[in-house]
This record gives sequence, C-alpha cells and structure tokens, in this order.
Amino acid sequence: DTVLTQTPLSSPVTLGQPASISCRSSQSLVHSDGNTYLSWLHQRPGQPPRLLIYKISNRFSGVADRFSGSGAGTDFTLRISRVEAEDVGVYYCMQGTQFPRTFGQGTNLEIK
Amino acid sequence: QVHMEESGPGLVRPGETLSLNCTVSGYFISSGYYWAWVRQSPGQGLEWIGSFHQNGKTFYNPSLRGRVTLSLDTSKNQFSLKLTSLSVADTAVYYCTRAAVGSFDYWGQGALVTVSS
Repeated sequence: DTVLTQTPLSSPVTLGQPASISCRSSQSLVHSDGNTYLSWLHQRPGQPPRLLIYKISNRFSGVADRFSGSGAGTDFTLRISRVEAEDVGVYYCMQGTQFPRTFGQGTNLEIK
Repeated sequence: QVHMEESGPGLVRPGETLSLNCTVSGYFISSGYYWAWVRQSPGQGLEWIGSFHQNGKTFYNPSLRGRVTLSLDTSKNQFSLKLTSLSVADTAVYYCTRAAVGSFDYWGQGALVTVSS
C-alpha cells in the first residue's frame, strides 16, 4: 500500500497568518496516464470530509483561493495564505493513483 | 448539485452482516463515475473500503479480506455496501462518496454503525 505521511500532525496558527501542511508519499504518485492524483480534504468536527484540492493544485468548486497546493512525485504541500476561523479542523491528503486508495493520518489545524 | 445520503442500522451484533444504502440525488449513478465507501473509526483517520462502476469494474481494500460486496440499484439511484463477519473493529462512521478527479468529490453526511452485543 502507498503510505502517506503528513507533517505536522498538529498546527496551531494565528488568525490571518499563513499555514502549510506537508504530505510525503512512500512511492511516486505519477499515474501511467501522466496525472498525479494527490488531493487534499478538510474535515470539520462532526462533518464529512470536503474536497479542497485535486491533482496536486486544482481547487475544487467553491473552494476559496487562499487554499493552494503544490508538489510533485512524492512530496506535496497544502498552503493556506491567511487562516480564517472556519479553516479549523483536520486536513487529509489522499492518493488516487494506486489501489488501495489511502489517506494521510491527518493534520489538526487549530487557532492559537 | 449532487446530494448523497446513507441509511442503515445504527447497531449490529458481532458476527452479523452490515447492509448500508446510499441514495444519490442530483446525478444518475448510471451515467458514469465510480461510487465508493469510506469509513472512519471513532477519533481515527479515513479508510477506503471500495469503489465500483456501473460497468461492473470493482475495487476493494484487501485489508477487508473479502468481507465486502458493493452493488447498485439504478432504478432507485442507490448503491449499497455489505460487510460480513462484523467485529467491534468495524465500529465506524461509514460515508458514501463519488470518486472523481482522482479523489472523492461529493460525500454523504455519514452513518454511525456500532458493532456490539
């Protein structure tokens, strides 16, 4: 299985300040079709996950432009340019290149 | 807008079979995409259970050791999960979701399933 390792596991951030989360894969996420299926999801307490970013850097419909994704191969980053109160919760990276699909262990974003 | 809603029993006994349904509105599941189930044990991360397509192509998580069956009912625009030989380790919130763009773009609210005698 492809293991995704996120850092940090917890991230206290001041409102209005930037935040970033790293996701490292145990193997390349480049698919045979040339795409890299690394995505980011956000989960607030008691809510289902919500897709933020797909294929490394594409924002899903309705996602604020303060969220951005970057990376290649095995190393990826989610950045929030200015954290807002509604951004609290757990962020997961996920790979859709290999079966079984796997998720990172999650990063808990909290406000200082 | 795609809306998905899980339904099924909240409590199941060890050794029994779990059956969950996911009703989809806003999109005909026969029109395409893979449809999937993901679960989340209490306080834990996310685990992909399996994905399948109307054309019959199905993928399961090997960690569930052949206990999973996915199916769909296009007449009801619904798809289903069956998980056999339940143990307390299967206690989780079960989400139905649509697989698209290499991820999961629409999710149900989740159904809490507790395995207990």
